[in-house]
Amino acid sequence: KAGVTQTPRYLIKTRGQQVTLSCSPISGHRSVSWYQQTPGQGLQFLFEYFSETQRNKGNFPGRFSGRQFSNSRSEMNVSTLELGDSALYLCASSLDSANYGYTFGSGTRLTVV
Amino acid sequence: AQSVAQPEDQVNVAEGNPLTVKCTYSVSGNPYLFWYVQYPNRGLQFLLKYITGDNLVKGSYGFEAEFNKSQTSFHLKKPSALVSDSALYFCAVRDANTGGFKTIFGAGTRLFVKA
Repeated sequence: KAGVTQTPRYLIKTRGQQVTLSCSPISGHRSVSWYQQTPGQGLQFLFEYFSETQRNKGNFPGRFSGRQFSNSRSEMNVSTLELGDSALYLCASSLDSANYGYTFGSGTRLTVV
Repeated sequence: AQSVAQPEDQVNVAEGNPLTVKCTYSVSGNPYLFWYVQYPNRGLQFLLKYITGDNLVKGSYGFEAEFNKSQTSFHLKKPSALVSDSALYFCAVRDANTGGFKTIFGAGTRLFVKA
């Protein structure tokens, strides 16, 4: 079956712009989580969604937001981009993230210039 | 608050020798523990998990991990390392009791297996 699909794979944006990243989870998975991966900070938790509800949010500014749709697809949005937002953004889906491991997508590489 | 520590940035092992990648955690309730691996130019892959039960958990690619509640550790092990095991390994923890609904990852340990 198809894995977790993230689009686009690469993005280059200018400071001050906004960006929307998309994630399609594995069919049947209702839990979607987002992480920011950088060489210096590792994997930082952004959000977790389950059945369209945000269950938790990490320590990121309000410029970072997300949502989940009824088909479990998820988007995250970053407004007023800063240079420090350059990172690999990973989406992970699970049947139930408490009892099962995640399946990660390949990520969206965002570069802010 | 939950946290996870991987005290070694890098582990070097000769092929055929046993390997251990260390992980310690802190949660207020009972832990759910996970190991993931990231190969070069490939996504993060789930290796194994501990939810409850037997303290020794077996996972993919011959890896296993031992849960030690008294030492709050969940070290990843393999009896005989392969060059192809060279990758970045992440330990992760989730608090089962507080309903925090987030999985926290360690900083990662890079494993080098030399032929």
